[in-house]
Amino acid sequence: EDKVVQSPLSLVVHEGDTVTLNCSYEVTNFRSLLWYKQEKKAPTFLFMLTSSGIEKKSGRLSSILDKKELFSILNITATQTGDSAIYLCAVGSLSGTYKYIFGTGTRLKVLA
Amino acid sequence: EAGVAQSPRYKIIEKRQSVAFWCNPISGHATLYWYQQILGQGPKLLIQFQNNGVVDDSQLPKDRFSAERLKGVDSTLKIQPAKLEDSAVYLCASSLGAGTGYNEQFFGPGTRLTVL
Repeated sequence: EDKVVQSPLSLVVHEGDTVTLNCSYEVTNFRSLLWYKQEKKAPTFLFMLTSSGIEKKSGRLSSILDKKELFSILNITATQTGDSAIYLCAVGSLSGTYKYIFGTGTRLKVLA
Repeated sequence: EAGVAQSPRYKIIEKRQSVAFWCNPISGHATLYWYQQILGQGPKLLIQFQNNGVVDDSQLPKDRFSAERLKGVDSTLKIQPAKLEDSAVYLCASSLGAGTGYNEQFFGPGTRLTVL
């Protein structure tokens, strides 16, 4: 059965700290791994990682994909209170039909 | 570019009642997804459309849930009758491509359903 596991489930840090969020997966026919930020309801897209793009960076956020060890990390440096959110990892899998499987998310709270 | 639209934003019903949700994807997006997100969990795919055809509905509780995509654009998701465990946020998403796994999904604001 396809599964995506995120850790930690929740995290509390202070402004300026650096955090690392983890996503491990076991899926059939991996296609892509996506990171989303969910503040209230709608997840907003952060990064997509594929076999041809295993490292992405945007401002204070960066992510890498290790296809051999089947995991990805999302790094946030110099955290701000606005980074407080749930971070979701989704993996694209082709098993008959193509689908995205989501992890349960990591709830990050950044204290001022 | 207008985003994915959903309505209503909130709905409170009693168990055994019926409810319907509406989604309008981004113009030109071929693939539409309905997800159920229970508090504390990640989104779970209920149904995926490619234009107006169903690609995957393996996790849709078909005894009470139904969905359609009209003319390959708007979509409605219905629950009849609702159960307490259906309380969740229902998210609609769309993507440009044919669900190959290399297309970003854009999510709507969701509908928060509370079943009493």
